[in-house]
Amino acid sequence: GQSLEQPSEVTAVEGAIVQINCTYQTSGFYGLSWYQQHDGGAPTFLSYNALDGLEETGRFSSFLSRSDSYGYLLLQELQMKDSASYFCAVRVNSGNTPLVFGKGTRLSVIA
Amino acid sequence: GAGVSQSPRYKVTKRGQDVALRCDPISGHVSLYWYRQALGQGPEFLTYFNYEAQQDKSGLPNDRFSAERPEGSISTLTIQRTEQRDSAMYRCASSSQSGLGRETQYFGPGTRLLVL
Repeated sequence: GQSLEQPSEVTAVEGAIVQINCTYQTSGFYGLSWYQQHDGGAPTFLSYNALDGLEETGRFSSFLSRSDSYGYLLLQELQMKDSASYFCAVRVNSGNTPLVFGKGTRLSVIA
Repeated sequence: GAGVSQSPRYKVTKRGQDVALRCDPISGHVSLYWYRQALGQGPEFLTYFNYEAQQDKSGLPNDRFSAERPEGSISTLTIQRTEQRDSAMYRCASSSQSGLGRETQYFGPGTRLLVL
């Protein structure tokens, strides 16, 4: 089977930095993606890592270590609007194929 | 341009009825995916298409579920003889195909199905 583990909840202060970890055990690996989902909304793409290392997109960064089957999403300069659920997802087959999602981490940003 | 659209947004039906959920992907997107998302969980794969060809339907829970994409654009997910356990948010996503393997999946707003 496929397994992705991430914390269920994280709370952080506005302006701070938060890291959301994801470990995976999957039958194949062709990349780790992160999606953000606000309450009542659709998942929206944040970042993608296929190779080891750090990818930076504005306030958000994502890291991957394939040897450790581990990745994380780093959110800097937290804003209240960052309060949402964050999902890591693995592509287990090559090409345009479905994603296997984790159960999500609910981030609450407090003042 | 327009994103992925789904209809209806909400569907309430009685147990035993058939329902058809529609997905209109982003224009030109080759791949179309159906997921089901329970409250507080991540999307769970059901089936997907490249063009009109159904590539994988291993995620469909049972044979009451079927999907088609006859012209390689709009797709319909049909659930026959609905049961209460079918109640969930059904999400559609689409992606382009560049062959690089990092194509973003764009999700639609979902159809909230409630089976009474």
